[in-house]
Amino acid sequence: GAGVSQSPSNKVTEKGKDVELRCDPISGHTALYWYRQSLGQGLEFLIYFQGNSAPDKSGLPSDRFSAERTGGSVSTLTIQRTQQEDSAVYLCASSLGKGVNQPQHFGDGTRLSIL
Amino acid sequence: KQEVTQIPAALSVPEGENLVLNCSFTDSAIYNLQWFRQDPGKGLTSLLLIQSSQREQTSGRLNASLDKSSGRSTLYIAASQPGDSATYLCAVTDSWGKFQFGAGTQVVVTP
Repeated sequence: GAGVSQSPSNKVTEKGKDVELRCDPISGHTALYWYRQSLGQGLEFLIYFQGNSAPDKSGLPSDRFSAERTGGSVSTLTIQRTQQEDSAVYLCASSLGKGVNQPQHFGDGTRLSIL
Repeated sequence: KQEVTQIPAALSVPEGENLVLNCSFTDSAIYNLQWFRQDPGKGLTSLLLIQSSQREQTSGRLNASLDKSSGRSTLYIAASQPGDSATYLCAVTDSWGKFQFGAGTQVVVTP
């Protein structure tokens, strides 16, 4: 498809397990963003990639969270030793160029539930 | 620290009425402001992007204004339809492309 693709769409896992969330941006989009949306809260910025580098990691909530992007395309967000407060919808977005004046296009998200 | 506030948190109108959604931000040093729509279980759909040098943007029944100096943006939706029911989010962008989102306004348009 032509849009941002995220997988899995739903993930249920036990507390303490590691999870990997995947984002396929729109072809040609060099900027990629990760956000999370917790129940009853607004959207929270996590990390931003320009190409394969991440100039802004300030939103990652703890050192259990990491993200990488390879080949300027697919990105994975990894959460180690998951906690119940990690339960949320994780959204990925991509945009053309550096992104500041380009609209962001969002995927449908990964709904993560930690038991 | 940038704070984005959206008022009201929820809004219900009969079909045909105009919708007015408000967004305010505390730091006027923004690159742009974007309005999104979010349907349940779906990602965000970008509606309008207003660059910091612009005063408004229009797309069909949607019009968004931006007053950077007072830290306000308003989204107008004319002649609302039940299909307009969704949560509407505004977000401001800083020079890094980092977004700060409001909590959203949940809109219900009744037939």
